[in-house]
Amino acid sequence: KNEVEQSPQNLTAQEGEFITINCSYSVGISALHWLQQHPGGGIVSLFMLSSGKKKHGRLIATINIQEKHSSLHITASHPRDSAVYICAAANYGGSQGNLIFGKGTKLSVKP
Amino acid sequence: GAGVSQSPSNKVTEKGKDVELRCDPISGHTALYWYRQSLGQGLEFLIYFQGNSAPDKSGLPSDRFSAERTGGSVSTLTIQRTQQEDSAVYLCASSRTGGEKLFFGSGTQLSVL
Repeated sequence: KNEVEQSPQNLTAQEGEFITINCSYSVGISALHWLQQHPGGGIVSLFMLSSGKKKHGRLIATINIQEKHSSLHITASHPRDSAVYICAAANYGGSQGNLIFGKGTKLSVKP
Repeated sequence: GAGVSQSPSNKVTEKGKDVELRCDPISGHTALYWYRQSLGQGLEFLIYFQGNSAPDKSGLPSDRFSAERTGGSVSTLTIQRTQQEDSAVYLCASSRTGGEKLFFGSGTQLSVL
């Protein structure tokens, strides 16, 4: 079993839909990252959180430390949101750079 | 510079040759990270530098891999005696300090023939 698991693996949505991507982890963490990788390959960091909830524009990330679960929500989705979304956990016992990555969720938003 | 710069963007080499990949982090960022992404595989951690502390090398897959960071700025990842399984995109990232938001470079696509 992977230490960081994401669901779903693939997600197709219609423009305007509310989207949720889930991330579960089995290790103790000091932080959890959400990353976005566009079809061209570039990676952008969306959020880094260790508790609660963060919001940036149409994106919301939440984390439940007790349940070892994080979600990334996209409101009013748009075709430009099409990308692979990756969660990554910083293991509490490791260095802050030693991230354990999920396999990613490929999101396709249709116009 | 404005962002994390990696060079070369593409590198094709023959099995058994040594390669050097370069990363120029954002000015003032003390933390520097190397990751790699193999075709069909997820991202995996290689090495982490934070200021003057000893680097976390626990992700390096074999002793053919090494990295250094000179003057707390530019980093070089060296792969000796390359193998076909080393083919991957090698990504560098930096952050203002450890545990903060990561800024990624565009990667070096390494192909070992």
